[in-house]
Amino acid sequence: DADVTQTPRNRITKTGKRIMLECSQTKGHDRMYWYRQDPGLGLRLIYYSFDVKDINKGEISDGYSVSRQAQAKFSLSLESAIPNQTALYFCATGRDGGNQPQHFGDGTRLSIL
Amino acid sequence: DQQVKQNSPSLSVQEGRISILNCDYTNSMFDYFLWYKKYPAEGPTFLISISSIKDKNEDGRFTVFLNKSAKHLSLHIVPSQPGDSAVYFCAASGQGAQKLVFGQGTRLTINP
Repeated sequence: DADVTQTPRNRITKTGKRIMLECSQTKGHDRMYWYRQDPGLGLRLIYYSFDVKDINKGEISDGYSVSRQAQAKFSLSLESAIPNQTALYFCATGRDGGNQPQHFGDGTRLSIL
Repeated sequence: DQQVKQNSPSLSVQEGRISILNCDYTNSMFDYFLWYKKYPAEGPTFLISISSIKDKNEDGRFTVFLNKSAKHLSLHIVPSQPGDSAVYFCAASGQGAQKLVFGQGTRLTINP
């Protein structure tokens, strides 16, 4: 079973709709992150959370919101989706303390028509 | 403003030869650097990392070199194998691994 699970894996929706992407992890990590990947731009940080009561904006948070429902769950919402939010979205987790790599889910491919 | 840059979108290497992937950064506060490998329809997987107190880190066929004065790091894969064909991202952080800044990625193709 995957340590970091993202649902759904694919989603097609229309402009103006509200979308929620979910992430759950079994790694026991406190830190969770949401990134988006666009062609030619690499991965960019949307939001991150160091524990259940800690939420921080990343590089490109406009148009997005998040909820950390539990240590293991971190969801990303698009309140009113627009076509330029079409992208590949990744959730990641990380341990506390020192230099530690982040561990990624397999992504959600989101298309907004 | 791209703080981490991978200037080669693609690289093609013959099986058995050395693959060298390059990455440049601009932020002198970065002190931890990572390489991730990504296959289609999968998430990035951690490959190797290096702290700014070192200039080289090796793990099997993979070696990362860091040149702080040039703000440059490279990933060497020797020998290259067909399974190494993937997109490689370099990433950097100035606060442990709390917030990673990624490069654009380089697509490596290993030819038989």
